[in-house]
Amino acid sequence: EVQLVESGGGLVKPGGSLRLSCEASELTFTNAWMSWVRQAPGKGLEWVGRIRNRREGGTADYATPVKGRFTISRDDSRDTLYLQMNSLKTEDTAVYYCTALGDREYFQYWGQGALVTVSS
Amino acid sequence: QSALTQPASVSGSPGQSITISCIGTSSDVGSYNFVSWYQQHPGKGPKLMIYEVTKRPSGVSNRFSGSKSGNTASLTISGLQAEDEADYYCCSYATNSYVFGTGTKVTVL
Repeated sequence: EVQLVESGGGLVKPGGSLRLSCEASELTFTNAWMSWVRQAPGKGLEWVGRIRNRREGGTADYATPVKGRFTISRDDSRDTLYLQMNSLKTEDTAVYYCTALGDREYFQYWGQGALVTVSS
Repeated sequence: QSALTQPASVSGSPGQSITISCIGTSSDVGSYNFVSWYQQHPGKGPKLMIYEVTKRPSGVSNRFSGSKSGNTASLTISGLQAEDEADYYCCSYATNSYVFGTGTKVTVL
């Protein structure tokens, strides 16, 4: 069974930085396109960004609200996905889910989520 | 990219069928057969229920079905059961991005 386990969430002040990690197991991570989706408290789901596998370029795409502030990367040797979040704003407060894309265009597997709280 | 529009809530009695609509635009739902649906129970992570408009992942009940017409996608739950009470979100691919729906709370009366 595929498992995605996020870590690194916590409380950070506005303007600060935080890095989330997501370790995958029972997934052919090297071939997978991976993505982050967030959910603000009591709100709906919002796509954050995705990263292609290395064979297809390893590049990332981002949602407009986080472009230029967030960076997605991967370490295939560790089966781990990262989300580096800089210049954090209060509106970035959310549970961040790590997901594995199935055939690119849908979110097949989900982690349990990591809570990020941006507050002074 | 604006969120896809879903009804805030839908309810039905056990055994009945309900349908949740998901209204997008010609830039997302209308352009791609890449609509997916997710179920989320309180305090849990989302679960994939339908992908590529009509396909069901292994293990998902055949009581769940999807369809699309123009810029509107739909999820139908037939034979409603208590365990179906949850939030449901649609999602569409939209050229190097994805857009989710506003979410629908399904209540089993």
